[in-house]
Amino acid sequence: GENVEQHPSTLSVQEGDSAVIKCTYSDSASNYFPWYKQELGKRPQLIIDIRSNVGEKKDQRIAVTLNKTAKHFSLHITETQPEDSAVYFCAASKGGGFKTIFGAGTRLFVKA
Amino acid sequence: DAMVIQNPRYQVTQFGKPVTLSCSQTLNHNVMYWYQQKSSQAPKLLFHYYDKDFNNEADTPDNFQSRRPNTSFCFLDIRSPGLGDAAMYLCATSFTGENTEAFFGQGTRLTVV
Repeated sequence: GENVEQHPSTLSVQEGDSAVIKCTYSDSASNYFPWYKQELGKRPQLIIDIRSNVGEKKDQRIAVTLNKTAKHFSLHITETQPEDSAVYFCAASKGGGFKTIFGAGTRLFVKA
Repeated sequence: DAMVIQNPRYQVTQFGKPVTLSCSQTLNHNVMYWYQQKSSQAPKLLFHYYDKDFNNEADTPDNFQSRRPNTSFCFLDIRSPGLGDAAMYLCATSFTGENTEAFFGQGTRLTVV
């Protein structure tokens, strides 16, 4: 089955710096890669996603890249703000109706 | 505008006493998932329903069961909760096809005493 690895487990950055979180997946049939942000005590919420026919996607300060050959995908947050502090999960899925498998999560601290 | 609703938000149960968690959705999604999330860990998929078809994960203990009486509702039954089952339980839903974003409920935090 699918296995998603995520690094680093903890990331501390200064406000205004960039943060990069990297994931790898094992199942070459996976074609949908969402990223979720989970604040303490709250539900995971989708912040951005990418599909296997796209190499890069950007939404304001957040961007994701996908290298399907290497089975790598990454989340990039620029101009980080204290409110970006949360746990971020990458995930992989083979599409609708198939299970979404999560990475272990990255706890991001943005220091003011 | 809650779209995936879980009840209750907090549940305390006694060791060995059956407990049921509920999830309802207003999105008319045909896939519903149950995840277990322990402190500082990723959500772990227990099982999911694709319409009425039940799909159990290989490592989900038999102690965990699920029911989906209709499109809108899905239940998680823990037959004999142990201390190790204390966790946040997250329900999620999604469509099939191209738009596969999973929408999560607020979760039910289960405490076993």
